[in-house]
Amino acid sequence: AQSVSQHNHHVILSEAASLELGCNYSYGGTVNLFWYVQYPGQHLQLLLKYFSGDPLVKGIKGFEAEFIKSKFSFNLRKPSVQWSDTAEYFCAVNGYSGAGSYQLTFGKGTKLSVIP
Amino acid sequence: DTEVTQTPKHLVMGMTNKKSLKCEQHMGHRAMYWYKQKAKKPPELMFVYSYEKLSINESVPSRFSPECPNSSLLNLHLHALQPEDSALYLCASSHRQGGNTEAFFGQGTRLTVV
Repeated sequence: AQSVSQHNHHVILSEAASLELGCNYSYGGTVNLFWYVQYPGQHLQLLLKYFSGDPLVKGIKGFEAEFIKSKFSFNLRKPSVQWSDTAEYFCAVNGYSGAGSYQLTFGKGTKLSVIP
Repeated sequence: DTEVTQTPKHLVMGMTNKKSLKCEQHMGHRAMYWYKQKAKKPPELMFVYSYEKLSINESVPSRFSPECPNSSLLNLHLHALQPEDSALYLCASSHRQGGNTEAFFGQGTRLTVV
């Protein structure tokens, strides 16, 4: 069975501060990893994804994430946050669950509050 | 068009009511999903349809009944729900069922059971 752990429940930062949100996964097969963002009152949007290749992945809005296989980690980073980055961030892994099916499993989420 | 459209956006229903949630996508995706999201919790998978066939049912109570009438539409029929079923119900779609595929989410239907 696959699982995702996000260590930070709520992160509060001032504008222009750097961001790193932790994500660790547990899955025995080929990993497919995602970061989704949910702005207040809006739908889940994909920030970035990792399937294979370069472990440093760049996404939208200046976000990036690094896949470190030896640490089972896929941490999200942004050098300088803005007030508009205030949102809930979910790390997710898409893994094989048997009988030809795949299942997207989310971490519990990290709420980011950016203070102007 | 990269949208997944869900209707209604809000729904209040009594415990004896029958209602349906609807989801539509026109991206040619052949996998569609229902998730349930409680407040301050991550989305939890309920059902997966692949090529209009139910491929995953995550032990969801029978008071939730999914239906996929064609490749663009996904319904969730609700009957005799309980107050604890109040949540945000999210629909998603992806090109196909597979590890390296991206899921697109709708805005959700916020359901309140009274």
